[in-house]
Amino acid sequence: EPEVTQTPSHQVTQMGQEVILRCVPISNHLYFYWYRQILGQKVEFLVSFYNNEISEKSEIFDDQFSVERPDGSNFTLKIRSTKLEDSAMYFCATQNTGELFFGEGSRLTVL
Amino acid sequence: TQLLEQSPQFLSIQEGENLTVYCNSSSVFSSLQWYRQEPGEGPVLLVTVVTGGEVKKLKRLTFQFGDARKDSSLHITAAQPGDTGLYLCAGQETSGSRLTFGEGTQLTVNP
Repeated sequence: EPEVTQTPSHQVTQMGQEVILRCVPISNHLYFYWYRQILGQKVEFLVSFYNNEISEKSEIFDDQFSVERPDGSNFTLKIRSTKLEDSAMYFCATQNTGELFFGEGSRLTVL
Repeated sequence: TQLLEQSPQFLSIQEGENLTVYCNSSSVFSSLQWYRQEPGEGPVLLVTVVTGGEVKKLKRLTFQFGDARKDSSLHITAAQPGDTGLYLCAGQETSGSRLTFGEGTQLTVNP
Protein backbone atom coordinates (compact mmCIF):
# COMPACT_ATOMS: atom_id res chain seq x y z
CA GLU A 1 0.00 0.00 0.00
CA PRO A 2 1.41 3.44 -0.87
CA GLU A 3 2.49 5.52 2.07
CA VAL A 4 3.81 8.93 3.01
CA THR A 5 7.26 8.69 4.57
CA GLN A 6 8.76 11.27 6.88
CA THR A 7 12.29 11.82 8.15
CA PRO A 8 13.64 12.13 10.71
CA SER A 9 11.32 10.27 13.05
CA HIS A 10 12.71 12.22 15.98
CA GLN A 11 14.96 15.26 16.12
CA VAL A 12 16.32 17.01 19.17
CA THR A 13 17.68 20.51 18.64
CA GLN A 14 18.78 23.54 20.57
CA MET A 15 16.64 26.65 20.65
CA GLY A 16 17.59 28.98 17.81
CA GLN A 17 18.80 26.24 15.49
CA GLU A 18 17.40 25.59 12.04
CA VAL A 19 15.49 22.37 11.43
CA ILE A 20 14.39 20.74 8.18
CA LEU A 21 11.72 18.05 8.22
CA ARG A 22 11.35 15.94 5.10
CA CYS A 23 8.41 14.17 3.53
CA VAL A 24 8.20 11.87 0.53
CA PRO A 25 4.65 12.04 -0.80
CA ILE A 26 2.77 9.25 -2.50
CA SER A 27 3.92 9.38 -6.11
CA ASN A 28 0.83 10.63 -7.95
CA HIS A 29 -0.30 13.04 -5.26
CA LEU A 30 -0.57 16.73 -6.05
CA TYR A 31 -1.58 18.38 -2.79
CA PHE A 32 0.75 18.54 0.18
CA TYR A 33 0.16 19.62 3.75
CA TRP A 34 1.94 20.06 7.03
CA TYR A 35 0.10 19.69 10.32
CA ARG A 36 1.48 19.71 13.82
CA GLN A 37 0.35 18.27 17.13
CA ILE A 38 1.74 19.64 20.36
CA LEU A 39 1.70 16.99 23.07
CA GLY A 40 -1.77 16.69 24.57
CA GLN A 41 -3.31 19.13 22.10
CA LYS A 42 -5.26 18.88 18.89
CA VAL A 43 -3.83 18.44 15.42
CA GLU A 44 -3.37 21.90 13.84
CA PHE A 45 -3.10 22.91 10.21
CA LEU A 46 0.09 24.70 9.21
CA VAL A 47 0.21 24.98 5.44
CA SER A 48 -1.01 23.55 2.16
CA PHE A 49 1.05 23.42 -1.03
CA TYR A 50 -0.04 22.86 -4.60
CA ASN A 51 1.58 23.45 -7.96
CA ASN A 52 4.85 24.50 -6.32
CA GLU A 53 3.38 27.23 -4.21
CA ILE A 54 1.64 27.76 -0.91
CA SER A 55 -2.12 27.67 -1.38
CA GLU A 56 -3.11 28.32 2.21
CA LYS A 57 -1.38 28.88 5.54
CA SER A 58 -2.47 29.27 9.13
CA GLU A 59 -1.66 31.93 11.71
CA ILE A 60 0.94 29.56 13.15
CA PHE A 61 2.89 29.52 9.89
CA ASP A 62 4.85 32.72 10.39
CA ASP A 63 8.08 33.96 8.83
CA GLN A 64 10.08 31.36 10.73
CA PHE A 65 8.48 28.60 8.67
CA SER A 66 8.95 27.80 5.01
CA VAL A 67 8.10 24.92 2.71
CA GLU A 68 9.47 23.82 -0.61
CA ARG A 69 9.65 20.90 -2.97
CA PRO A 70 13.26 21.29 -4.08
CA ASP A 71 13.70 18.23 -6.26
CA GLY A 72 10.16 17.43 -7.32
CA SER A 73 9.86 14.59 -4.86
CA ASN A 74 10.72 15.60 -1.29
CA PHE A 75 8.43 18.11 0.39
CA THR A 76 10.21 19.93 3.20
CA LEU A 77 9.27 22.06 6.17
CA LYS A 78 11.99 24.37 7.45
CA ILE A 79 11.93 26.15 10.77
CA ARG A 80 14.62 28.85 10.68
CA SER A 81 15.16 29.55 14.35
CA THR A 82 13.43 27.06 16.57
CA LYS A 83 11.67 28.06 19.79
CA LEU A 84 10.73 25.91 22.74
CA GLU A 85 7.08 26.08 21.71
CA ASP A 86 7.90 24.50 18.35
CA SER A 87 8.29 21.17 20.13
CA ALA A 88 5.59 18.97 18.60
CA MET A 89 4.83 16.11 16.24
CA TYR A 90 4.85 17.37 12.67
CA PHE A 91 2.74 15.43 10.21
CA CYS A 92 3.02 15.58 6.46
CA ALA A 93 -0.14 14.70 4.54
CA THR A 94 -0.63 14.27 0.82
CA GLN A 95 -3.62 13.93 -1.43
CA ASN A 96 -4.59 13.39 -5.02
CA THR A 97 -8.29 14.14 -5.33
CA GLY A 98 -9.70 11.98 -2.57
CA GLU A 99 -8.39 10.62 0.67
CA LEU A 100 -5.75 12.48 2.64
CA PHE A 101 -2.86 10.26 3.68
CA PHE A 102 -0.78 11.15 6.72
CA GLY A 103 2.80 10.17 7.38
CA GLU A 104 3.86 8.77 10.72
CA GLY A 105 5.18 12.12 11.84
CA SER A 106 8.45 13.68 12.91
CA ARG A 107 8.83 14.41 16.57
CA LEU A 108 10.71 17.67 17.17
CA THR A 109 12.08 18.42 20.61
CA VAL A 110 13.53 21.88 21.16
CA LEU A 111 15.73 22.28 24.23
CA THR B 1 -10.80 29.71 12.01
CA GLN B 2 -13.63 27.27 12.59
CA LEU B 3 -13.73 25.20 15.79
CA LEU B 4 -14.80 21.62 16.43
CA GLU B 5 -15.75 20.44 19.89
CA GLN B 6 -15.37 16.71 20.37
CA SER B 7 -16.82 14.78 23.30
CA PRO B 8 -16.23 12.90 25.40
CA GLN B 9 -12.48 13.37 25.67
CA PHE B 10 -12.03 10.00 27.40
CA LEU B 11 -14.26 6.95 27.34
CA SER B 12 -13.66 3.63 29.07
CA ILE B 13 -16.21 0.90 28.50
CA GLN B 14 -16.59 -2.88 28.71
CA GLU B 15 -16.44 -5.14 25.71
CA GLY B 16 -19.87 -5.50 24.11
CA GLU B 17 -21.15 -2.08 25.09
CA ASN B 18 -22.25 0.58 22.62
CA LEU B 19 -20.88 4.10 22.53
CA THR B 20 -21.28 7.38 20.71
CA VAL B 21 -18.72 10.11 20.14
CA TYR B 22 -19.88 13.59 19.20
CA CYS B 23 -18.32 16.34 17.15
CA ASN B 24 -20.00 19.75 17.22
CA SER B 25 -19.42 23.15 15.72
CA SER B 26 -21.23 26.41 15.19
CA SER B 27 -19.74 26.53 11.69
CA VAL B 28 -20.67 24.73 8.51
CA PHE B 29 -18.15 22.35 6.97
CA SER B 30 -18.03 21.17 3.39
CA SER B 31 -17.22 17.68 4.63
CA LEU B 32 -16.34 15.95 7.84
CA GLN B 33 -13.85 13.17 8.32
CA TRP B 34 -13.24 10.68 11.10
CA TYR B 35 -9.75 9.39 11.76
CA ARG B 36 -8.20 6.89 14.10
CA GLN B 37 -4.72 7.55 15.43
CA GLU B 38 -2.49 4.98 17.11
CA PRO B 39 0.36 6.07 19.41
CA GLY B 40 3.40 7.19 17.43
CA GLU B 41 1.56 7.17 14.12
CA GLY B 42 -0.31 9.62 11.95
CA PRO B 43 -4.10 9.74 11.71
CA VAL B 44 -5.69 7.16 9.41
CA LEU B 45 -8.91 8.03 7.63
CA LEU B 46 -11.97 5.98 8.56
CA VAL B 47 -14.68 7.78 6.62
CA THR B 48 -15.67 11.06 4.95
CA VAL B 49 -19.22 12.37 5.08
CA VAL B 50 -20.21 15.11 2.69
CA THR B 51 -23.97 15.49 2.47
CA GLY B 52 -26.11 16.84 5.30
CA GLY B 53 -27.95 13.96 6.97
CA GLU B 54 -25.62 11.38 5.44
CA VAL B 55 -25.13 8.11 7.29
CA LYS B 56 -22.24 5.76 6.54
CA LYS B 57 -21.57 2.37 8.05
CA LEU B 58 -18.22 0.66 8.37
CA LYS B 59 -18.86 -2.74 9.97
CA ARG B 60 -19.81 -1.92 13.58
CA LEU B 61 -19.12 1.80 13.15
CA THR B 62 -21.88 4.19 12.08
CA PHE B 63 -21.07 7.76 11.11
CA GLN B 64 -23.64 10.51 10.73
CA PHE B 65 -23.34 14.05 9.39
CA GLY B 66 -25.84 16.54 10.77
CA ASP B 67 -28.47 18.00 8.47
CA ALA B 68 -26.87 21.44 8.73
CA ARG B 69 -23.34 20.04 8.24
CA LYS B 70 -22.21 21.46 11.57
CA ASP B 71 -21.99 18.29 13.61
CA SER B 72 -21.30 14.60 13.35
CA SER B 73 -21.38 11.47 15.44
CA LEU B 74 -19.59 8.15 15.52
CA HIS B 75 -21.49 5.23 17.00
CA ILE B 76 -19.78 1.93 17.74
CA THR B 77 -21.93 -1.12 18.36
CA ALA B 78 -20.73 -3.99 20.52
CA ALA B 79 -17.29 -2.48 21.10
CA GLN B 80 -14.28 -4.79 21.11
CA PRO B 81 -10.83 -4.35 22.67
CA GLY B 82 -9.46 -3.86 19.15
CA ASP B 83 -11.49 -0.65 18.91
CA THR B 84 -9.27 0.92 21.57
CA GLY B 85 -7.60 4.03 20.20
CA LEU B 86 -7.80 7.77 19.64
CA TYR B 87 -10.67 8.86 17.39
CA LEU B 88 -10.47 12.27 15.74
CA CYS B 89 -13.05 14.22 13.83
CA ALA B 90 -11.91 16.80 11.31
CA GLY B 91 -13.93 19.25 9.29
CA GLN B 92 -12.95 20.61 5.92
CA GLU B 93 -13.65 24.33 5.81
CA THR B 94 -15.93 25.67 3.13
CA SER B 95 -13.27 28.12 1.98
CA GLY B 96 -10.05 26.27 1.35
CA SER B 97 -8.56 22.87 1.90
CA ARG B 98 -7.48 22.97 5.54
CA LEU B 99 -8.84 20.49 8.05
CA THR B 100 -9.92 21.62 11.51
CA PHE B 101 -9.49 18.83 14.01
CA GLY B 102 -11.36 18.10 17.19
CA GLU B 103 -9.38 17.31 20.32
CA GLY B 104 -9.98 13.61 20.02
CA THR B 105 -11.68 10.90 22.04
CA GLN B 106 -9.44 8.34 23.71
CA LEU B 107 -11.47 5.14 23.74
CA THR B 108 -10.54 2.17 25.92
CA VAL B 109 -12.51 -1.04 25.57
CA ASN B 110 -11.84 -3.43 28.44
CA PRO B 111 -12.15 -7.18 27.85
